[in-house]
Amino acid sequence: TQLLEQSPQFLSIQEGENLTVYCNSSSVFSSLQWYRQEPGEGPVLLVTVVTGGEVKKLKRLTFQFGDARKDSSLHITAAQPGDTGLYLCAGLYSSASKIIFGSGTRLSIRP
Amino acid sequence: ETGVTQTPRHLVMGMTNKKSLKCEQHLGHNAMYWYKQSAKKPLELMFVYNFKEQTENNSVPSRFSPECPNSSHLFLHLHTLQPEDSALYLCASSQGDRDPLDGYTFGSGTRLTVV
Repeated sequence: TQLLEQSPQFLSIQEGENLTVYCNSSSVFSSLQWYRQEPGEGPVLLVTVVTGGEVKKLKRLTFQFGDARKDSSLHITAAQPGDTGLYLCAGLYSSASKIIFGSGTRLSIRP
Repeated sequence: ETGVTQTPRHLVMGMTNKKSLKCEQHLGHNAMYWYKQSAKKPLELMFVYNFKEQTENNSVPSRFSPECPNSSHLFLHLHTLQPEDSALYLCASSQGDRDPLDGYTFGSGTRLTVV
């Protein structure tokens, strides 16, 4: 069974703090995506990482793809209440149309 | 309208009812998907359509019946559902169904409750 494990499942921190969430698998992916889902809405794509070791920045969010393309991390600097939501990672296999999603990290930022 | 639109946003149905979920995309994408999102479980892929043809059925029970009349519209027909089918049903689209580096564009979902 192909699995993407995300940790932690839940995270509640104070505004202004930094945090890192993780996405791990035993499978090698051709690329990996991160989505954010707000309550009552569908997931919205934040970033796609393709190359092992790749680092991408989106304002205060830093995404890293593991060297072996099996894992990824998302680091948020100086978290704000607007960062609240469910963060999902999704691994893509180049050999098929298959994409698998992790179960997500639910992030809550307290003002 | 732009993006992916799903209707209705909320649906409560009895186990003997028949209802349909509708999805429409205005992005010119060729692939459309149905996903099921349950609490504490990963998003589950249900069906994939590429250029109106079904390319994947992820062992979904026959009480869920998809229909894709064209590349812009996708339906999910529901009948004799069970309470465990209660979930958020998400429609998504992408340019193609192979290695969508541009990602999926999701609708806001239909929150389904089976009573």
